[in-house]
Amino acid sequence: GAGVSQSPSNKVTEKGKDVELRCDPISGHTALYWYRQSLGQGLEFLIYFQGNSAPDKSGLPSDRFSAERTGGSVSTLTIQRTQQEDSAVYLCASSLQNEQYFGPGTRLTVT
Amino acid sequence: EDQVTQSPEALRLQEGESSSLNCSYTVSGLRGLFWYRQDPGKGPEFLFTLYSAGEEKEKERLKATLTKKESFLHITAPKPEDSATYLCAGISGSARQLTFGSGTQLTVLP
Repeated sequence: GAGVSQSPSNKVTEKGKDVELRCDPISGHTALYWYRQSLGQGLEFLIYFQGNSAPDKSGLPSDRFSAERTGGSVSTLTIQRTQQEDSAVYLCASSLQNEQYFGPGTRLTVT
Repeated sequence: EDQVTQSPEALRLQEGESSSLNCSYTVSGLRGLFWYRQDPGKGPEFLFTLYSAGEEKEKERLKATLTKKESFLHITAPKPEDSATYLCAGISGSARQLTFGSGTQLTVLP
């Protein structure tokens, strides 16, 4: 079946602009996660959605970052007033139980 | 604070030369230990989940094992196509997110 998809695959933006990154999870998966992978760094947790529960936002690095999940499916990660340190690969994962399945990521470059 | 440490950072093997990658963890109430493979420019690909000390899982040339303090990913007679970064991650009893190690970059030379 179809895996997790993310769009765009690459995004170049100017410092100070807002960006939106999209994630389509595996159909039927109730949990959705966003992670960030910076050059030379491990994967860093950002936010987690489970069904209709309030999201766990404990990993968001600043209030410029927000995310929503509509209809328990598609999720959008929004970064406002982007900074150069936001440059990274943003990965989305979904799960039904414990195993998380990742999408290909969106490579964000802030110039 | 949950912590996962992988070693070595990089490993170069000749084709057919077996070896092991290490993942040590300090995760309170470990609920699962995960191994992923990541190829350049792609997202991590799920390999194994281990739940309790003594558990082992195998897939082709890979075998993952778990003790109370660490996990090993054994690679038997590797091939060049096994070249990738191998990531280890733990999940604690109270959290849902994975805590990742920084990975081992494996290169298998023909």
